[in-house]
Amino acid sequence: EVQLLESGGGLVQPGGSLRLSCEASGFSFNSYSMSWVRQAPGKGLEWVSIINTDGGITHYGDSVKVRFTISRDNSKNTVYLQMNSLRAEDTAVYYCARSLPSTQLFDFWGQGTLVTVSS
Amino acid sequence: EIVLTQSPATLSLSPGERATLSCRASQSISNYLAWYQQKPGQAPRLLIYGASNRATGIPARFSGSGSGTDFTLTISSLEPEDFAVYYCQLRNNWPLTFGGGTKVEIK
Repeated sequence: EVQLLESGGGLVQPGGSLRLSCEASGFSFNSYSMSWVRQAPGKGLEWVSIINTDGGITHYGDSVKVRFTISRDNSKNTVYLQMNSLRAEDTAVYYCARSLPSTQLFDFWGQGTLVTVSS
Repeated sequence: EIVLTQSPATLSLSPGERATLSCRASQSISNYLAWYQQKPGQAPRLLIYGASNRATGIPARFSGSGSGTDFTLTISSLEPEDFAVYYCQLRNNWPLTFGGGTKVEIK
């Protein structure tokens, strides 16, 4: 059974940092690109970042570029999102999602982890 | 950045009725469009890719059409489990973008 389990969310002050993790199981992790997609409370979906199968290529949404860093450890079947200089507008549920290389189609999603940026 | 505009924002229909959802791109995107369904408290689910191809396990009542800038998701006869929010998504162009969503609600 395919599973994506996000962790690391929580409450953080503006300007703070947080690292999210997404552990995968049930599929060949190193054959898939991995993304983070977020959803602010009551709002729509916003793509955040993507990393290719070996971690050598990454892309970011304009609103998180420079502040966020995506990485992966294929030996641990885990993708990470390091979030720095957090702002109130980063408050959202963060989902990890997989996609076949070069498709950017999210065919399986985790259940998400909530990040709240507030003083 | 290519912007995807979905309409209407809300669609009020009864079970058994036909639903027609629109997604318009700010410039031509060929057929690089996908559709997702999201129910409350759940992660999104891929429905359609390549504008018109159903993803694995998606019922035949869901269909997609369009190319260039105008795309449509059609649900031929609404089932109770189809009442949800639907998003279109651009691929093959950075940054990836989603439309603002269409909520299909029970009338």
